[in-house]
Amino acid sequence: EAGVVQSPRYKIIEKKQPVAFWCNPISGHNTLYWYLQNLGQGPELLIRYENEEAVDDSQLPKDRFSAERLKGVDSTLKIQPAELGDSAVYLCASSSRDRGTNEQFFGPGTRLTVL
Amino acid sequence: ELKVEQNPLFLSMQEGKNYTIYCNYSTTSDRLYWYRQDPGKSLESLFVLLSNGAVKQEGRLMASLDTKARLSTLHITAAVHDLSATYFCAVVSSSGNTGKLIFGQGTTLQVKP
Repeated sequence: EAGVVQSPRYKIIEKKQPVAFWCNPISGHNTLYWYLQNLGQGPELLIRYENEEAVDDSQLPKDRFSAERLKGVDSTLKIQPAELGDSAVYLCASSSRDRGTNEQFFGPGTRLTVL
Repeated sequence: ELKVEQNPLFLSMQEGKNYTIYCNYSTTSDRLYWYRQDPGKSLESLFVLLSNGAVKQEGRLMASLDTKARLSTLHITAAVHDLSATYFCAVVSSSGNTGKLIFGQGTTLQVKP
């Protein structure tokens, strides 16, 4: 079974520029998550999708961050404009209700550096 | 608000020794997860603990859950260098199946030969 795919793996941009990250979850996983991980800390949830519906986006800074999962499969997370403090690793994860455990499987992440 | 605390945050140990990492959480939860993260890599799922008294073992790692004490432990037996990594516990609040994981700060384990 293929894992969660993310791209790009690394991104360096200047502040005030836009940036987008892409995630393809494990096939058949209806729940998709975007997490932010700062250096030396645990991941923090930004947004959770059940199929194409965003069911928890309370931690998403909506003034500059947006996300979509149009067909309930892959997802895009966008930042516009980026700020220096956005430098972090952005992780995508997915899970399936069918497993009953809500175990989340993580992708390799996108490391963002804002200069 | 659910909070998850791990200790120690950093652990340096010799190969062959035993040690335990502790994960405390502040509110009721019926699910706890342990993940491993190697430097520059993503999180790898180690254990899923779903009920009070649950114990799971994989190789030199054993995880347990005490929901009454709101405590999980990750025990390392006869550590080897390959276990060097950062270990995270994560908890789902039982107030509605939101699926939102709250992570601890992580415990960085360094096993010295």
